[in-house]
Amino acid sequence: EPEVTQTPSHQVTQMGQEVILRCVPISNHLYFYWYRQILGQKVEFLVSFYNNEISEKSEIFDDQFSVERPDGSNFTLKIRSTKLEDSAMYFCASIGQTLTEAFFGQGTRLTVV
Amino acid sequence: EDQVTQSPEALRLQEGESSSLNCSYTVSGLRGLFWYRQDPGKGPEFLFTLYSAGEEKEKERLKATLTKKESFLHITAPKPEDSATYLCAVRPFSGGYNKLIFGAGTRLAVHP
Repeated sequence: EPEVTQTPSHQVTQMGQEVILRCVPISNHLYFYWYRQILGQKVEFLVSFYNNEISEKSEIFDDQFSVERPDGSNFTLKIRSTKLEDSAMYFCASIGQTLTEAFFGQGTRLTVV
Repeated sequence: EDQVTQSPEALRLQEGESSSLNCSYTVSGLRGLFWYRQDPGKGPEFLFTLYSAGEEKEKERLKATLTKKESFLHITAPKPEDSATYLCAVRPFSGGYNKLIFGAGTRLAVHP
């Protein structure tokens, strides 16, 4: 069964450092997303990406965040200068053309120390 | 403002004891209501999408139903392996590009 793959599964970084979280969406999907979940809280929308550009972003997704689809398979989230409050699980998701199902990856646990 | 509220926050059941989880929503317009299962430290696992009031979908011991204001996830004769957090999410008309707005989830524990 096709799945969304995320790497790494866990990343520890020092405050102020840059991190890149990687995702391989399902191959024939068209819409790509990043969500985050702070421990014990709701899953929150960060950004959506369609046709090689950002289509929507939340207020959380400030200038410290960026996304990129550098090739036909990878989708990345970069945080330029991490803060303690960026510690969370980050989930990548993708949706196909039928829009009927949204599949999530297993997440990257980001810990900022 | 688009909003999703799930109840109860936590539910403890004995194996075989059927029950229902509630998801109530307020959205500008609904383009789909999604149910997910989430195990600790894992990503949401897709279960169902419902689109219109009266629609029902089933998968093993789970059945999801939808009205104009809420959705229910019915669990029939649950087993310990059904223990997880169940998340409800809506895809509203406001904004575009199919983002999902999640509720806080219901933590289900099924004991033998």
